[in-house]
Amino acid sequence: GAVVSQHPSRVICKSGTSVKIECRSLDFQATTMFWYRQFPKQSLMLMATSNEGSKATYEQGVEKDKFLINHASLTLSTLTVTSAHPEDSSFYICSAVRTDYGYTFGSGTRLTVV
Amino acid sequence: QQQVKQSPQSLIVQKGGISIINCAYENTAFDYFPWYQQFPGKGPALLIAIRPDVSEKKEGRFTISFNKSAKQFSLHIMDSQPGDSATYFCAASSTGFQKLVFGTGTRLLVSP
Repeated sequence: GAVVSQHPSRVICKSGTSVKIECRSLDFQATTMFWYRQFPKQSLMLMATSNEGSKATYEQGVEKDKFLINHASLTLSTLTVTSAHPEDSSFYICSAVRTDYGYTFGSGTRLTVV
Repeated sequence: QQQVKQSPQSLIVQKGGISIINCAYENTAFDYFPWYQQFPGKGPALLIAIRPDVSEKKEGRFTISFNKSAKQFSLHIMDSQPGDSATYFCAASSTGFQKLVFGTGTRLLVSP
């Protein structure tokens, strides 16, 4: 139980285009999901907290207009990287909370902007 | 206050040995302390977690030791195996599964 599916696992896009990453809780409902960014050999840095039916809460320094988060249902949150640039290339990871299990992480999305 | 400090940054252990990773925190509101294992290109996977009402928790070869007064907790991996070679992160969060604060990570290499 407590499985989180993240899609796609890898994506390459051209500079200036937008990319959408999906995070689904497969066997439970998640009121809250989290989005992280991880650079090589570094820790996970929280970007935003996604709450079902309301606006996401962004961490300091994260551009809201660049990283659009939508948590439209209790099982799906999406992160859209708008007007992507090479510096946005990173490993993006989502997480969902199941209160009897804790935090479960998706398998991550490797974004490469060329 | 939100930081979780983790050491060492890297660790090499011989097969069969004990791997020990340490973490320290400042925020006394933290009440959930998980450890995660991450392989390259994958998301973190929960290994074991502890709450401050117990001083030790053991699951298989993995043990968390927790010192509430010192605000420190550690992961012990007994009989370390080459398959344990990965990056390990400690983390902490407050009541209600609020945002998880991660340590800086430890790259463990278990030599055959």
